[in-house]
Amino acid sequence: DAGITQSPRHKVTETGTPVTLRCHQTENHRYMYWYRQDPGHGLRLIHYSYGVKDTDKGEVSDGYSVSRSKTEDFLLTLESATSSQTSVYFCAISEGVQPQHFGDGTRLSIL
Amino acid sequence: QKEVEQDPGPLSVPEGAIVSLNCTYSNSAFQYFMWYRQYSRKGPELLMYTYSSGNKEDGRFTAQVDKSSKYISLFIRDSQPSDSATYLCAMGGLPQGAQKLVFGQGTRLTINP
Repeated sequence: DAGITQSPRHKVTETGTPVTLRCHQTENHRYMYWYRQDPGHGLRLIHYSYGVKDTDKGEVSDGYSVSRSKTEDFLLTLESATSSQTSVYFCAISEGVQPQHFGDGTRLSIL
Repeated sequence: QKEVEQDPGPLSVPEGAIVSLNCTYSNSAFQYFMWYRQYSRKGPELLMYTYSSGNKEDGRFTAQVDKSSKYISLFIRDSQPSDSATYLCAMGGLPQGAQKLVFGQGTRLTINP
């Protein structure tokens, strides 16, 4: 899995609670990404990072924030989770113009 | 209209058949084209990557890009039950290159023994 670890792998939580997902890489790649995958929508980019403390929004960034304080870690935070954020979340990494490689995802259920 | 259109299937074929998976796109700035395979409850796995028109072959897999028609295809020869998965096309273009990708919604493929 290209040296990518996502944690937790599964989480169930309640509406209104904060949630943080972690992506850890051992490849020293510059770029890191957070996607969500939903039926009928495919993979949609939430946020990405092009270096430590450098991030940018993706297609579906509302309700999400990210932080990257070290090259190897990229955190995705849902400040106040809503049921519409129930999804499978994938982290990806890349370097230069090389294609992205993905982790195995986090299944998040918000009740 | 979505930037990338992919028939979601499902597609079911017998073992040994040739499979053709396709995506069309509307953004002429796309330069990077990828195919990913995704098994159930796993992350997408890169199968093919190309940044030019024409064909690229890797074992039983051939990726074809036709920029003039804005159409890409993935062919699987001698299909095996282990090829059963969801296949995602993805593409990116200037200025972000391969960083900001747009994905098709995926085609679910089943190879029947």
